[in-house]
Amino acid sequence: QVQLVQSGAEVKNPGASVKVSCKASGYTFTIYYMHWVRQAPGQGLEWMGIINPSGGGTSYAQKFQGRVTMTRDTSTSTVYMELSNLRSEDTAVYYCARAQTPYSSSSGFFDYWGQGTLVTVSS
Amino acid sequence: DIQMTQSPSSVSASVGDRVTITCRASQGISSWLAWYQQKPGKAPKLLIYAASSFQSGVPSRFSGSGSGTDFTLTISSLQPEDFATYYCQQANSFPFTFGPGTKVDIK
Repeated sequence: QVQLVQSGAEVKNPGASVKVSCKASGYTFTIYYMHWVRQAPGQGLEWMGIINPSGGGTSYAQKFQGRVTMTRDTSTSTVYMELSNLRSEDTAVYYCARAQTPYSSSSGFFDYWGQGTLVTVSS
Repeated sequence: DIQMTQSPSSVSASVGDRVTITCRASQGISSWLAWYQQKPGKAPKLLIYAASSFQSGVPSRFSGSGSGTDFTLTISSLQPEDFATYYCQQANSFPFTFGPGTKVDIK
């Protein structure tokens, strides 16, 4: 069965970076694009960007351009999301979410989600 | 960016009630719309995609309709496990955006 297992909670100081991992299993890793979505406490959902697990190509929401980097390791079927220059407003649960349709960068429906990783930014 | 709005922001309902949630996009998105259900402390769950297509395993009491800018999610007979927050999301163009959510709670 499809599973996305994310790394554990993190506490970071303002200005630091955080790297969250998402390990996929139960399907062919390279054919489904992966997205990252975050949710601040008590707030709604915010799309951050997408990565092609096959070629590594990415597209980021403008809001995060210059601060976010998404990468992948095909040998371990893992995608990563690194967010730098953290501020208190970045405190949120970060989710990886799989695109529903294989081979499609425009597939924006998310059929499987990781369990979420809480990142707390506080001095 | 395409802005998504939802109404109502919250609704109190009883088991067996029919509940309708509306979602509006700031510009036409054809049928590139999804609905998700989220329970506290859990990841969202895909219910409906392409405005009206059922995700596998979703009960038939959930249905979606609409195209262009106006969409609805209907729960035909509310069950205890349906109390949650529901989000619409446009998948027409980057950046993908979500509505602010509609919380369905017990009356």
